Amino acid sequence: DTAVSQTPKYLVTQMGNDKSIKCEQNLGHDTMYWYKQDSKKFLKIMFSYNNKELIINETVPNRFSPKSPDKAHLNLHINSLELGDSAVYFCASSQDWEPSGANVLTFGAGSRLTVL
Amino acid sequence: AQTVTQSQPEMSVQEAETVTLSCTYDTSESDYYLFWYKQPPSRQMILVIRQEAYKQQNATENRFSVNFQKAAKSFSLKISDSQLGDAAMYFCAYRSAYGTASKLTFGTGTRLQVTL
Repeated sequence: DTAVSQTPKYLVTQMGNDKSIKCEQNLGHDTMYWYKQDSKKFLKIMFSYNNKELIINETVPNRFSPKSPDKAHLNLHINSLELGDSAVYFCASSQDWEPSGANVLTFGAGSRLTVL
Repeated sequence: AQTVTQSQPEMSVQEAETVTLSCTYDTSESDYYLFWYKQPPSRQMILVIRQEAYKQQNATENRFSVNFQKAAKSFSLKISDSQLGDAAMYFCAYRSAYGTASKLTFGTGTRLQVTL
């Protein structure tokens, strides 16, 4: 059973199109995230939701809109795609509370988006 | 804002040998967590090891151990008895202990090659 699953794994599209990436976790975690990994492998957080509520929103263009219908799902919709949006997008989840407090992230396998 | 620096873009180690990957970070906080994640060619982000800043004892996980020097803000990863399967990108990451969401700040990564 995949703990954090993302679809699609690969996405190739034209500039100006709108696309979505879906994420689901079956770990019972309370918090979900979207991270972006650029072509230089640099990883940066974009958004975080806790029990369907947006709690982290980094300086991301308005073209990116996350949606969390329930705490097990976090989708990412991107409007008017640009060349610079090409990246690997990682979904992740964590439990609100762990004894150590570390709230370790469990990542999905990533979705590679290529904008032509 | 916190920053994480990995000064070694690439490292190489022979099978069965030991290698140390460097990581330094900058923060004004006293309580935080540090992580090493591994990203093999499959792209999956895998937690290798974690360290709570309030613990003086260095974390170990089988062949992986850390040298955590809080005063120097250094968090290096030692891989003993290196195996071919250890070849991957390794990312050091920082998380503040304040707040429930696991907002990780990543370093730029070190690519580890394992040779026969």
